[in-house]
Amino acid sequence: SQQGEEDPQALSIQEGENATMNCSYKTSINNLQWYRQNSGRGLVHLILIRSNEREKHSGRLRVTLDTSKKSSSLLITASRAADTASYFCATRGRGAQKLVFGQGTRLTINP
Amino acid sequence: NAGVTQTPKFQVLKTGQSMTLQCAQDMNHNSMYWYRQDPGMGLRLIYYSASEGTTDKGEVPNGYNVSRLNKREFSLRLESAAPSQTSVYFCASSETTGDYYTFGSGTRLTVV
Repeated sequence: SQQGEEDPQALSIQEGENATMNCSYKTSINNLQWYRQNSGRGLVHLILIRSNEREKHSGRLRVTLDTSKKSSSLLITASRAADTASYFCATRGRGAQKLVFGQGTRLTINP
Repeated sequence: NAGVTQTPKFQVLKTGQSMTLQCAQDMNHNSMYWYRQDPGMGLRLIYYSASEGTTDKGEVPNGYNVSRLNKREFSLRLESAAPSQTSVYFCASSETTGDYYTFGSGTRLTVV
């Protein structure tokens, strides 16, 4: 069973616009992570946010975490064509030894 | 380059054949993982090794076995391949089970 569920499943925007993806999960977590996967490649880690954190930034990426709603969002500002990829959230439950991945959001940036 | 190396990158098997997927990391990570990725299913954990000398089942272990050969290497074996095992297989590693993962580039396996 999947712990994280991303929304939307697919998102298409114009270059320069902001992209927001959401992730919801079911049980208490230790941390939540976001990964990017370019077509035909492995996943690349973007950001890790711990359960006691509410927001983290990395360059054009902003991640928020609301543990009361069991949800997280990933915001990519000023999108570029190179941001076209699938984005996955993954959760590590309390006491768990592995990550559980959602099904991903497929983001397309149109020039 | 430092990272996770998977071999082979592509493989076609006939039903019933066996094969081993190899994975090695050079980051001195303690934990290693095998996932499979299928369209619409996201990534599903097959087996993992929290530390050298230990292995545990993940979400979809049936039809697979693993060996943590040493701290660097974690192999995945299909004893009798089935068409349902057609997938892209990813190996990953992390410093500890609570850290972020570094993924390999994947093995695309087709069972006919």
